[in-house]
Amino acid sequence: TQLLEQSPQFLSIQEGENLTVYCNSSSVFSSLQWYRQEPGEGPVLLVTVVTGGEVKKLKRLTFQFGDARKDSSLHITAAQPGDTGLYLCAGAKAGGTSYGKLTFGQGTILTVHP
Amino acid sequence: GAGVSQSPRYKVAKRGQDVALRCDPISGHVSLFWYQQALGQGPEFLTYFQNEAQLDKSGLPSDRFFAERPEGSVSTLKIQRTQQEDSAVYLCASNMGVLQSPLHFGNGTRLTVT
Repeated sequence: TQLLEQSPQFLSIQEGENLTVYCNSSSVFSSLQWYRQEPGEGPVLLVTVVTGGEVKKLKRLTFQFGDARKDSSLHITAAQPGDTGLYLCAGAKAGGTSYGKLTFGQGTILTVHP
Repeated sequence: GAGVSQSPRYKVAKRGQDVALRCDPISGHVSLFWYQQALGQGPEFLTYFQNEAQLDKSGLPSDRFFAERPEGSVSTLKIQRTQQEDSAVYLCASNMGVLQSPLHFGNGTRLTVT
């Protein structure tokens, strides 16, 4: 069974602070995706990282895939109240062919206070 | 509509009742996935269709769970003789079924078994 350990589970910070969320596994993934989920809605894809060591930036969000493709991180710079939500990492099994069968972490609930 | 549509949004069932949850994927998406999300957890894979073929049902928790997609578009997830532990949000997602095709989630059906 492939597991993704996500940390921290809860994060409560002030507007303007920086934060990092981690996603770790002992398994190798062909790709790692990060999602954001609002209450009552489905997860929305933020980014997909595919290559070991890859770094992607999306405005104030920076995503990194570990060299061995077993871990990933999400860094948010100068967090804003609008960043509040549940952040999920999800991995696609190496060698898989369904292109959508994902193993999700348990999520990080981020609250940014004004 | 442009997105994945799920109905009903909320379902309350008495223990032992059968329920049917519907998913209408994005038009043209060949792959369809069902996930189960317990409160405070990340989604867990249940089953996967490519067109009308159910290619992976390894995540279905018991033989009380059954999914179908007879014409390769709309899918139904049926749960027979519901139990309290079946209470969760059931998410449907679809994509083009090719490498790195983004997964689009619906807003889910929240099932509560009393």
